[in-house]
Amino acid sequence: GAVVSQHPSRVICKSGTSVKIECRSLDFQATTMFWYRQFPKQSLMLMATSNEGSKATYEQGVEKDKFLINHASLTLSTLTVTSAHPEDSSFYICSAGTVSGANVLTFGAGSRLTVL
Amino acid sequence: AQSVAQPEDQVNVAEGNPLTVKCTYSVSGNPYLFWYVQYPNRGLQFLLKYITGDNLVKGSYGFEAEFNKSQTSFHLKKPSALVSDSALYFCAVRGGYYNTDKLIFGTGTRLQVFP
Repeated sequence: GAVVSQHPSRVICKSGTSVKIECRSLDFQATTMFWYRQFPKQSLMLMATSNEGSKATYEQGVEKDKFLINHASLTLSTLTVTSAHPEDSSFYICSAGTVSGANVLTFGAGSRLTVL
Repeated sequence: AQSVAQPEDQVNVAEGNPLTVKCTYSVSGNPYLFWYVQYPNRGLQFLLKYITGDNLVKGSYGFEAEFNKSQTSFHLKKPSALVSDSALYFCAVRGGYYNTDKLIFGTGTRLQVFP
């Protein structure tokens, strides 16, 4: 079945530094990738939608300059948290989809970011 | 815009008893509805979906869900709960047919099954 790999699974960084999270579709070409942020106490918020070769579409309230999303190929999307601060600490999850009918999105295992 | 509501933060049930996790949705067109489960520090695992057809959908691990258009609900059910079912459950709605359309999640419901 379709597999999405997310790396790193955990990252700790100092305040003010930037962190990159990778999302790869291992056995299919993902025309669209979604990035979600999961806050403590459950809720899963859609941050942005990225289509290969074009700029990401950000949801309202998500800072595009803070959360840089790149989808340079059909198998890789990256999320860079720039100038990270403790409030950016969260669980980030990506998912990948293809334009091939009502297939189910495949999710990565998530990346836990802790900003000190 | 589509949205999903999960009115219960937590559901507690004894092992062997039936369980229900509630979900209601709002979408302007045809609803495409999903249930996912998340175990601690893990990504989401797909349980089942409603796209079209029978209102009762059967999915993984013995779970099923009933699509009710008049009540705009898609409650998750299982006839006999297991301790291993304890996890975080998310209902989601997609406003379009393709999986490249936006998938919006509810706030999640923590299911606790007691031995």
